[in-house]
Amino acid sequence: AQKITQTQPGMFVQEKEAVTLDCTYDTSDQSYGLFWYKQPSSGEMIFLIYQGSYDEQNATEGRYSLNFQKARKSANLVISASQLGDSAMYFCAMREGSTGANSKLTFGKGITLSVRP
Amino acid sequence: GAGVSQSPSNKVTEKGKDVELRCDPISGHTALYWYRQSLGQGLEFLIYFQGNSAPDKSGLPSDRFSAERTGGSVSTLTIQRTQQEDSAVYLCASSPLGVVLQETQYFGPGTRLLVL
Repeated sequence: AQKITQTQPGMFVQEKEAVTLDCTYDTSDQSYGLFWYKQPSSGEMIFLIYQGSYDEQNATEGRYSLNFQKARKSANLVISASQLGDSAMYFCAMREGSTGANSKLTFGKGITLSVRP
Repeated sequence: GAGVSQSPSNKVTEKGKDVELRCDPISGHTALYWYRQSLGQGLEFLIYFQGNSAPDKSGLPSDRFSAERTGGSVSTLTIQRTQQEDSAVYLCASSPLGVVLQETQYFGPGTRLLVL
C-alpha cells in the first residue's frame, strides 16, 4: 500500500486565488511528521512546511498552511494568494517514528500546479 | 552559508560502465541521504548515513549500487555496470542530526544520469 497518496495529477489556479493540494498518508506509527516540498522546473527541492503528528494546531508559514485532519489521515497544503512563481511540482512526504533508523522521507508522486495570470 | 552541492550536474554514460556521483552536504550536518527521482517512480529513498555509517540501506535497488561517506562529510554513490533503467535524477540531502522527527532535509540540485 502506498504510504503517501497524491491523486491530483495537475491543478490550475488563477493568480491571487487560493488553492488546496491534497495529500493522504498511511502509517501505524503514533509519532510521525509530514512535510511539503516544492520543486520548480529548475529541479531543486524547496522545503515549505512541516506538521507533526502531535501538533494540536495546523502549521502555517507565510502563504502556506496545512489542513491537518489526523483521523482522516490527510495533510492538505493550502496556498493563499497564488503567485506566478508558485507554478511547480509539489510533493508531500512523511517521516515515521522518532528514531534515527526511521529517518528517511517517503514521498508521494507529486502534484503539478500551474498558476494562470 | 553554502547549501548541498552535487557533482556532476549531468552525466551521460554507456550501458555497462560504472559511474560515481558525489555529494557535499551542508557543513556540520551529521545526516546525509540519497534519493532517486525518475519519471515513473517519483522520489525513492536509497540510503541514509549517520556520520560515516549507514543504518538504513533498504532503498538500494540492487547490489550494483553502493555508497560511502568519509570524514562525516562527502558521500559518493557508485553504480556499477549501469543499466538503462538507472537513468534518473539522483538527489542528495542533508540534515543537522537525522534523529529529530521535525528536522528539515535540505536537498542538493541533483545529478541527472542518462544511460545510453
